[in-house]
Amino acid sequence: NAGVMQNPRHLVRRRGQEARLRCSPMKGHSHVYWYRQLPEEGLKFMVYLQKENIIDESGMPKERFSAEFPKEGPSILRIQQVVRGDSAAYFCASSPSRDQPQHFGDGTRLSIL
Amino acid sequence: QQQVKQSPQSLIVQKGGISIINCAYENTAFDYFPWYQQFPGKGPALLIAIRPDVSEKKEGRFTISFNKSAKQFSLHIMDSQPGDSATYFCAASGSGGSNYKLTFGKGTLLTVNP
Repeated sequence: NAGVMQNPRHLVRRRGQEARLRCSPMKGHSHVYWYRQLPEEGLKFMVYLQKENIIDESGMPKERFSAEFPKEGPSILRIQQVVRGDSAAYFCASSPSRDQPQHFGDGTRLSIL
Repeated sequence: QQQVKQSPQSLIVQKGGISIINCAYENTAFDYFPWYQQFPGKGPALLIAIRPDVSEKKEGRFTISFNKSAKQFSLHIMDSQPGDSATYFCAASGSGGSNYKLTFGKGTLLTVNP
């Protein structure tokens, strides 16, 4: 009974590179949410996707960040031209519907050199 | 604008004691209040949740108390154990169209000494 799977667990990038974070939701879950956690902060909502659709991206920076959840395969959070301030833990959560509890993965820790 | 304020930032309790973590919210549209437990290197795990139609919910050693008029809710951990040592986050989400968007507090680092 696999939970939400995120990879990689740790990702190191140099400034200006691209970061791709992947999330496979729990079986039967078609709703995916991405959150960002800065050191000693709570999680902040970034984006909510349902298969092939972005439902709410109000928490995502307008530039350099994008997310997708294709019909086949995992959800991808993409950060272009990374900067030091992008260093954080990025968590993905999934749920079977939008009004049911969200289950979180173990996150991807992104470090920018 | 911090919509969910959590306190204390850190808490040390002796084994067998009661751990109490408090949260206050501002948005009266919030109607779902979960608590998450997070161990180092892991993602948050849902512990217990409450809706405003009840003032208290208990699951094992964990109890949520909810005060709608004061816009406050708290987590009580009875008979705290060293294994409870973790970071605890309160959260809230609204009704209707934005019911999926969790707003988190900043977390409380709980240490239970043996």
